[in-house]
Amino acid sequence: AQKITQTQPGMFVQEKEAVTLDCTYDTSDQSYGLFWYKQPSSGEMIFLIYQGSYDEQNATEGRYSLNFQKARKSANLVISASQLGDSAMYFCAMREGWGAAGNKLTFGGGTRVLVKP
Amino acid sequence: GAGVSQSPSNKVTEKGKDVELRCDPISGHTALYWYRQRLGQGLEFLIYFQGNSAPDKSGLPSDRFSAERTGESVSTLTIQRTQQEDSAVYLCASRSDIDGNTIYFGEGSWLTVV
Repeated sequence: AQKITQTQPGMFVQEKEAVTLDCTYDTSDQSYGLFWYKQPSSGEMIFLIYQGSYDEQNATEGRYSLNFQKARKSANLVISASQLGDSAMYFCAMREGWGAAGNKLTFGGGTRVLVKP
Repeated sequence: GAGVSQSPSNKVTEKGKDVELRCDPISGHTALYWYRQRLGQGLEFLIYFQGNSAPDKSGLPSDRFSAERTGESVSTLTIQRTQQEDSAVYLCASRSDIDGNTIYFGEGSWLTVV
């Protein structure tokens, strides 16, 4: 079974509108972390936001927020007020384990976002 | 340097040749990862180093792939007898023990096997 599932291979969003990117995960660990990365056409992986499994509040970083629904094992990324520069691939990832004991990040297949002017 | 540094940024090699890719992590980061990303696809885990512990090699696709790291310093990913399916971007990342929640990636080494 896939550990990280991103069901939207691609989507369009109108500039200045909000967009939600879906991510569901599968783990039996109680301690885990969820990440979102942005990968523009240049190829670099840009860290956006992190949510720990014990964090009670949804993480927010500027225009990015993570809608964490633990019981549903869902960690959707919300980008508010989309900008043309938001056009990129977006990857959800999970790290199982805690602190230095947790090792590899497992990535989903990604969602390509294209922001229309 | 301030970020994760990888070299070469681009490499074109002939099928059957060996290649070495280098990753210089952020200073003080004990954890280091290698990932492979084929064109248009997601990231595949290759190998993970944590300080002086035995590395997690569970993602290496074949015995043609190997990686080394001495302590908390530079890591080298070696691909022997390259094949065309090895063509991909090889991404390195490092993580601090202090803030284990942020993992920083380098810009990748683009490998093309012709």
